[in-house]
Amino acid sequence: AQRVTQPEKLLSVFKGAPVELKCNYSYSGSPELFWYVQYSRQRLQLLLRHISRESIKGFTADLNKGETSFHLKKPFAQEEDSAMYYCALSWTGANNLFFGTGTRLTVIP
Amino acid sequence: NAGVMQNPRHLVRRRGQEARLRCSPMKGHSHVYWYRQLPEEGLKFMVYLQKENIIDESGMPKERFSAEFPKEGPSILRIQQVVRGDSAAYFCASSPNSGASTDTQYFGPGTRLTVL
Repeated sequence: AQRVTQPEKLLSVFKGAPVELKCNYSYSGSPELFWYVQYSRQRLQLLLRHISRESIKGFTADLNKGETSFHLKKPFAQEEDSAMYYCALSWTGANNLFFGTGTRLTVIP
Repeated sequence: NAGVMQNPRHLVRRRGQEARLRCSPMKGHSHVYWYRQLPEEGLKFMVYLQKENIIDESGMPKERFSAEFPKEGPSILRIQQVVRGDSAAYFCASSPNSGASTDTQYFGPGTRLTVL
């Protein structure tokens, strides 16, 4: 069965430090992976998706099929990065997203 | 474009009452998804609808829950005879009519249901 695991509920880093939010997935086919972010008092929004291979707000994420991971990384964290981050899984033919439980990132000034 | 609209934002019901949650998709979007988020959990898929059709309701509880997306008006998630376990945040998302099953989904602000 498909599953998304985000092992860290809370993550705190200092401003300027590198940050990595972990995401592992379980799916036997060809997955599509997403990172969604929810800033304080705002709605959930797409941050990036692996097929786009983009860097958004300095964040990148590489799909590692061998390790079934899609970790989100940023080399230098900023205070405005503080938010709730959700990793999500889908695939061609699916009608929905499967979400992890989320990681709350706090960037300490 | 105002984005996906949900109302009410907060809804309080007593056990046994009915809850109606409304979702207006983004302009030009004809695909609507409902998700539920229980405390300390991630969002869980409930149902996927297109105009006048339920496409996938595999995540809906078998009883008391129903959803519709009429030709005119918002999508409605209806919970009959609510119980305390229904207390959660209910999110609606919409996607454009491109037919791709992995279209970007745009989320509403959610409705927080509290059952007393």
